[in-house]
Amino acid sequence: SQQGEEDPQALSIQEGENATMNCSYKTSINNLQWYRQNSGRGLVHLILIRSNEREKHSGRLRVTLDTSKKSSSLLITASRAADTASYFCATGSSASKIIFGSGTRLSIRP
Amino acid sequence: DAGVTQSPTHLIKTRGQQVTLRCSPKSGHDTVSWYQQALGQGPQFIFQYYEEEERQRGNFPDRFSGHQFPNYSSELNVNALLLGDSALYLCASSRGGNSPYGYTFGSGTRLTVV
Repeated sequence: SQQGEEDPQALSIQEGENATMNCSYKTSINNLQWYRQNSGRGLVHLILIRSNEREKHSGRLRVTLDTSKKSSSLLITASRAADTASYFCATGSSASKIIFGSGTRLSIRP
Repeated sequence: DAGVTQSPTHLIKTRGQQVTLRCSPKSGHDTVSWYQQALGQGPQFIFQYYEEEERQRGNFPDRFSGHQFPNYSSELNVNALLLGDSALYLCASSRGGNSPYGYTFGSGTRLTVV
């Protein structure tokens, strides 16, 4: 079963616009991670935010975490065609495994 | 520095057969996790190996088994294949028994059961 649920399931935006994806989860976490997957290939780790952090930046990525609402958001600024991919949130708890959500499919229109 | 290597990349098997998938972790990593990803879905956790033992297991039947070798590489075995086992199987490696720094994923093995 999935721990997280991403919203929206699919998103199509114009190149240069910002893309925002949301993730909600159900149980207590130690950290939340975002991954990107291009066309059925392996996942690439983008960013990790710990449960005691509220916001984190990495290049054009901005992640927020609200543990009271059990939710996170991923913002990609100034989108590019190469950002077209599926994005997954994954939660890490006291156990070592991470559990993935169902993903958001992002399409960037030229 | 090689990342996570999985073999084979593609595989076609007949229902009822057995399959073995292989994974070599990233250099310096000692923990291997396996995931099954059906088309259009998020990866589902199968199990994790650390110090050559199954550390955690997801909601998968006993037909799914694994092994970790002293060099940290790992195998995933699936017996009595079902059509529903068709999926992308992903291996991820990390350092230490806990994974607070994110996983490194391989490109996966695409298994088709006919």
